[in-house]
Order: sequence, then structure tokens, then C-alpha cells
Amino acid sequence: GAGVSQSPSNKVTEKGKDVELRCDPISGHTALYWYRQSLGQGLEFLIYFQGNSAPDKSGLPSDRFSAERTGGSVSTLTIQRTQQEDSAVYLCASSPGLAGGTDTQYFGPGTRLTVL
Amino acid sequence: GDSVTQMEGPVTLSEEAFLTINCTYTATGYPSLFWYVQYPGEGLQLLLKATKADDKGSNKGFEATYRKETTSFHLEKGSVQVSDSAVYFCALSDRVKTSYDKVIFGPGTSLSVIP
Repeated sequence: GAGVSQSPSNKVTEKGKDVELRCDPISGHTALYWYRQSLGQGLEFLIYFQGNSAPDKSGLPSDRFSAERTGGSVSTLTIQRTQQEDSAVYLCASSPGLAGGTDTQYFGPGTRLTVL
Repeated sequence: GDSVTQMEGPVTLSEEAFLTINCTYTATGYPSLFWYVQYPGEGLQLLLKATKADDKGSNKGFEATYRKETTSFHLEKGSVQVSDSAVYFCALSDRVKTSYDKVIFGPGTSLSVIP
């Protein structure tokens, strides 16, 4: 079946512009995660969704970052007034969201964001 | 907070050599431990996992054993191939603490296998 997809695969933007990054999780997966992979910081957790709600937004670096999920499926990560330090690969992952045990997270290919 | 440390790379090995990538963790609870792999130009994939002490995860010839006494989860492979060239990430999550799988990653170790 289809895996996690993300779009665009690459995004180049100018400092100060807003960007939207999209994630399509695996069908039926209720849990969705956003991570950021950057040279200086490695792989960092940003936000977790269970269904359409986000119980943990603790990893969002500033109030310029926001995310939503609609219909328990597609998620959009929005970065307002982009800064050069926002340049990174943004990864999305989904998992079945099973209670108990440990879910396997399936990662998308990422969106490479470059802020000029 | 919880954290993961792994050996610095890059690591360069000849084909058929033995591989060890060291990983240690700091956690206050009882985390699950993972190794993820990122092949060139591809997304992150789960390689193996172990959910409790003394468990051994294995996949594609790779193995790692969850050692609670040494807080370690070292990755090993007896004979590496060129196709194993990738970046390897050690990681943990503690679902007891968070009730979901917030994964904390190590910095990654780049492996290059030469023919």
C-alpha cells in the first residue's frame, strides 16, 4: 500500500515569506508526527497528532510554527515569516495509534526547506 | 530529560568487515529502543527495535540487544555490504511516560562501506 507522502519535496523561499508543508499519512493511521532534521540540531520532535487534536506541541520552536490536521488524515505544517534558521528537512511520520505497546512509525521522504 | 548518544562518524569499513555502532541512552523510565536507517536519497526507516531489557532486535543481519544495566543498545552486523552504506540513528521512546511514541533520536552515524 501507499506509504507516507509529503509535498513539496523541495521548497526554496525568501526570508519573511510563509510556507506550508503537507503530509499525507498512511490510510487508517490515527497518530501523526512532525520532526525536523537540521545540521546543527539533528532530528527533533515538533508535534504529535492523535486524530485531529494535537496533545503535544512542545517541540514547535516558536509561535511562527503551527500545524493542523483535518479529517484525521492530511496534516499541514505552516511556518510564518520564515527565517534562515528554519532551513531543514521536515519529516512526517504516521503510526496506527494503537493503545499499549509501541507503535512503529513510518516516515515520509521529507520536505527540504531552504530559506534564502 | 531523556537523551541518546551514539558514536561519532563517519565510519568507513571494507566489505565483509564487522560493524559495531555504539549507542547509550539516558532515560528515567523504561523506554523502547530503536535503530533507524536513512539510505542516500531515501526516507527514514525502522531497522529494528527492542521494547524491554534483554530483548534482541534483529533485521537484515543487524542485531542490537537492550542492555539496561549498561543503558546501551549497540548495533552490530557480522559482515557489511556496500548496500549498507547509510546513516544510522539510535533512538528511544517512552510510551509509559508520554502515552504515545515521541521518538528521541541520537545524532546519527554515517557508515560508508567500500568494496
